[in-house]
Amino acid sequence: GAVVSQHPSRVICKSGTSVKIECRSLDFQATTMFWYRQFPKQSLMLMATSNEGSKATYEQGVEKDKFLINHASLTLSTLTVTSAHPEDSSFYICSAREDRADYNEQFFGPGTRLTVL
Amino acid sequence: GENVEQHPSTLSVQEGDSAVIKCTYSDSASNYFPWYKQELGKRPQLIIDIRSNVGEKKDQRIAVTLNKTAKHFSLHITETQPEDSAVYFCAASISNQGGKLIFGQGTELSVKP
Repeated sequence: GAVVSQHPSRVICKSGTSVKIECRSLDFQATTMFWYRQFPKQSLMLMATSNEGSKATYEQGVEKDKFLINHASLTLSTLTVTSAHPEDSSFYICSAREDRADYNEQFFGPGTRLTVL
Repeated sequence: GENVEQHPSTLSVQEGDSAVIKCTYSDSASNYFPWYKQELGKRPQLIIDIRSNVGEKKDQRIAVTLNKTAKHFSLHITETQPEDSAVYFCAASISNQGGKLIFGQGTELSVKP
């Protein structure tokens, strides 16, 4: 149990285009999901907390108009990178907390490798 | 906000030796401390975690200790094996702040056969 999927696993796009990444909890409900970004040889940096039915909470320094988050159901959150540029190239990873759990364990998706040309 | 510092950034040990990675956190309200192993291009894999009401936890060759007073926690791997080679991350979380994880900088562990 507690499986999180991400789609696509890899995407290459031209500068200026928008890219949508999906994060799904396959066998549990997740009111709260998280989006991280990881540059090569660096740590995971929390971008935002995605809340089902309400606006996402963005970390300081993350542009909410550039990284659009939609958490429309208890099993799906999407991250849209708008007007992508080469500096947005990174490994994007989502995670989800199980609603019924009384602890903070998060289950991670496999990540999406974004390359902007 | 919470800040997590992790040391060392790289660690090289001989197979069979022990490895210790240390982290400190800044927010005394943090109450959940997981450790992750990440292989290149893969998702982080939870290897052990500890909650603030416990001082030590062990799972076979892996153990974690927590000192709430000093606000630091450590990962101990005994009898290291080449397959333990990876990047390890510590993290801290506050349950009443949505449970978001703040990660340390990572430690690249190399176990030489």
